[in-house]
Amino acid sequence: DVKVTQSSRYLVKRTGEKVFLECVQDMDHENMFWYRQDPGLGLRLIYFSYDVKMKEKGDIPEGYSVSREKKERFSLILESASTNQTSMYLCASSPPPGYPKGNTIYFGEGSWLTVV
Amino acid sequence: AQSVAQPEDQVNVAEGNPLTVKCTYSVSGNPYLFWYVQYPNRGLQFLLKYITGDNLVKGSYGFEAEFNKSQTSFHLKKPSALVSDSALYFCAVRAPSGGSYIPTFGRGTSLIVHP
Repeated sequence: DVKVTQSSRYLVKRTGEKVFLECVQDMDHENMFWYRQDPGLGLRLIYFSYDVKMKEKGDIPEGYSVSREKKERFSLILESASTNQTSMYLCASSPPPGYPKGNTIYFGEGSWLTVV
Repeated sequence: AQSVAQPEDQVNVAEGNPLTVKCTYSVSGNPYLFWYVQYPNRGLQFLLKYITGDNLVKGSYGFEAEFNKSQTSFHLKKPSALVSDSALYFCAVRAPSGGSYIPTFGRGTSLIVHP
């Protein structure tokens, strides 16, 4: 089974802190994604990466950055946490488009971040 | 640009009755379509997908979905609902090749199954 592991399930951070959310997948997937989920807003894409060291902005990249130095790991960084970044963060991975098995997207369990 | 619509924010159904959660999509070319379920405080779990072939796709926990190309729909169904099916359901679309790497998700439909 594919496993996408988010290292922290619940975090409480102070305003202005630098926050790292880590995500690791064990299926050698090229594509990895970071989403933010808020009530009534669905899933919003923050950043995605289609291969090592490659990254592109999603719909709401402001206040975030990412790092992908190794294929299995995709990190989300909040440069200076603010209260409006309190949310559920979801990491996902998948094979690339055109993959014969249909490029199913697999999600981690999520990281609840509270910024106080 | 590709898009997904889940027209109902919430669906209520009695236990034992059939359920349908609706999804329509827009994408260039033939789509890859997915359904996911999310239980409280958990990530999204993959339920089923349509790639090609039979329009009726069967998935986990007794769920199935019907691909209708002319109506650009991919509705999720189950013949007999369980209280434990109560959760948030997401439909997603992805272009098969040459398109965006990014999957597009609907806003989610909350399914409530009453005892």
